[in-house]
Formats: sequence, C-alpha cells, structure tokens
Amino acid sequence: GAGVSQSPRYKVAKRGQDVALRCDPISGHVSLFWYQQALGQGPEFLTYFQNEAQLDKSGLPSDRFFAERPEGSVSTLKIQRTQQEDSAVYLCASRTGGLSNTEAFFGQGTRLTVV
Amino acid sequence: GQQVMQIPQYQHVQEGEDFTTYCNSSTTLSNIQWYKQRPGGHPVFLIQLVKSGEVKKQKRLTFQFGEAKKNSSLHITATQTTDVGTYFCAGPSGTYKYIFGTGTRLKVLA
Repeated sequence: GAGVSQSPRYKVAKRGQDVALRCDPISGHVSLFWYQQALGQGPEFLTYFQNEAQLDKSGLPSDRFFAERPEGSVSTLKIQRTQQEDSAVYLCASRTGGLSNTEAFFGQGTRLTVV
Repeated sequence: GQQVMQIPQYQHVQEGEDFTTYCNSSTTLSNIQWYKQRPGGHPVFLIQLVKSGEVKKQKRLTFQFGEAKKNSSLHITATQTTDVGTYFCAGPSGTYKYIFGTGTRLKVLA
C-alpha cells in the first residue's frame, strides 16, 4: 500500500476485555515498531520487529501486552484484560532497513478507550 | 535510562513571529530526527541530522545539531497557521529504536 495502515482507527473496550490492533506496514519494510502515545505526550516505544523476529520488547508495560509479526509483514498488538491505564493511541511505524538511521513512517494510529 | 527532553512544552505565537524548540539528550547521539504531528494526526518525518554542528534548512525551518551531538534545535521563521502542531525530536537508542522527546506544542494565533 501507499502508507502504513492501522485498524481499527478507534476501539472502545470494556475493562477486562481483550483487544487486537492491526498494523499493515509499507510493503517491503524490514523494521516495524509499536509505540504508545498518551494524551499530550510523546510516543513511547513498546516493541520492535525486524522481519518476523521480535528483537526488542522492552517497552511492553506488562505481560498483558503481546505482539507478533509471523510472516514479516502484518503485525498485531494484543492487549489482554484491558485496564483503564491502557487507554492511549497505539502507533505503528515501519522503516525500510534495520538500522536507526532512516526515517520512520507512521500509521494513523488506533485510539483505544477502556471504559 | 536514556532521556530526551524538549523545551518549551507549549508555545503560543502570533502569526509572523519566530519560534524555536530545543531538544536535549542525556546521552551523545549518532543522529537526531525531527517529526511533526498535527492535531489528531500522526508523526511525520521532517529531517535527520548526523554531523556535529550540522545545520539544515527546509524553507522557513532551520534545524541544528549541537557540536557535542547531545542537543538540537528547530527554528521556524515567520510562523504560519499551517505550522500548528507538536514538534518532536527523536534520538536512537541502541541499534534499532528511537526515543522520542517530550514534544513542543505550537499554537499560531492569526
């Protein structure tokens, strides 16, 4: 596709519900990132994939958060037993190469509201 | 851990005035990137600086990387309403990921 696509754009979940957020990166991009952005804050790193390998998951806030990219393209971020503090915009970004010296292309994000 | 701070947090300017945001890293950076996020939008890449003391211009925007490669600035000359948004700097942490700064939210009053 022309850009990074995320779905759904908006998600309202009841506390305790599981959610799955999808990211479709730019075709051929090796690197894929998930970030969490709280209102009025900068994006906070969650996890990084290089192709299908999850090389860094140090930013995942708890074991309720799980991400996968099984075929090295589409990625899913899953949050189990959602809590109110999980409410945020979840941004996906992709990059052509594996090194931290090229620009990242962000998707529109998924705004998650936990009620 | 590595931190990237920006000042000011907010800036309101009259249209036509200049604007500057400053970015400071707790560690030396191999490069620094700048992103703009419009209200309700997503971060969009503006530029990357690599060399110590580097200065780059994009029309009314001037980006500078400090000599010690620990700070950077973005200066906008004669702001326009289209400049509204939050400006983030981002520095690499390790081989792969970027740490984003706290951001400066710019409002331009017509």
